[in-house]
Amino acid sequence: AQKVTQAQTEISVVEKEDVTLDCVYETRDTTYYLFWYKQPPSGELVFLIRRNSFDEQNEISGRYSWNFQKSTSSFNFTITASQVVDSAVYFCALKNNAGNMLTFGGGTRLMVKP
Amino acid sequence: EAQVTQNPRYLITVTGKKLTVTCSQNMNHEYMSWYRQDPGLGLRQIYYSMNVEVTDKGDVPEGYKVSRKEKRNFPLILESPSPNQTSLYFCASSPERGGGTDTQYFGPGTRLTVL
Repeated sequence: AQKVTQAQTEISVVEKEDVTLDCVYETRDTTYYLFWYKQPPSGELVFLIRRNSFDEQNEISGRYSWNFQKSTSSFNFTITASQVVDSAVYFCALKNNAGNMLTFGGGTRLMVKP
Repeated sequence: EAQVTQNPRYLITVTGKKLTVTCSQNMNHEYMSWYRQDPGLGLRQIYYSMNVEVTDKGDVPEGYKVSRKEKRNFPLILESPSPNQTSLYFCASSPERGGGTDTQYFGPGTRLTVL
């Protein structure tokens, strides 16, 4: 069975601070796929990034960056210079090699205060 | 516009009264899935479908039924809803039957309350 753990249930920061959301996963597959989704207060799920297990290159997209470390089974998400609009629940998810199961972590609620 | 739609968006019902939440996608996707979201638990998979007439259980299938008679639709059926099925439900679809390389697209969610 696969599992995703987001140990931080809530994080509160002040605008312009950097913040890192942790994600640790467990899987027996050697090939798998990792995702981050954002859920703003309006409730929809917004896809942020997908990472394949065989690609450990870190990625940066504007103020967002992701650090994938296979050795520690982690896929952490950093927001640089946070903004109030970043306030949301963020989910890390793991997809198995067969592609039929997407397992989510419990989510981290990020509150960015002005 | 490519999208996954769910209806209704909000529903309050009573214990035991059968209900159906519809899900439709216009992207010709092979794979569709249902999730429920509960505080602290993230999203948990209820059922998924790799193709028409092919469905399988996810992590929390008890109390739910699904059908996939045509590619675009994947309704979620609660034959006898109970209060522990009060939750936020998401439908999702993705292009491929498997392989894992594709990304799932989520519907807007259906908030269900069972009294």
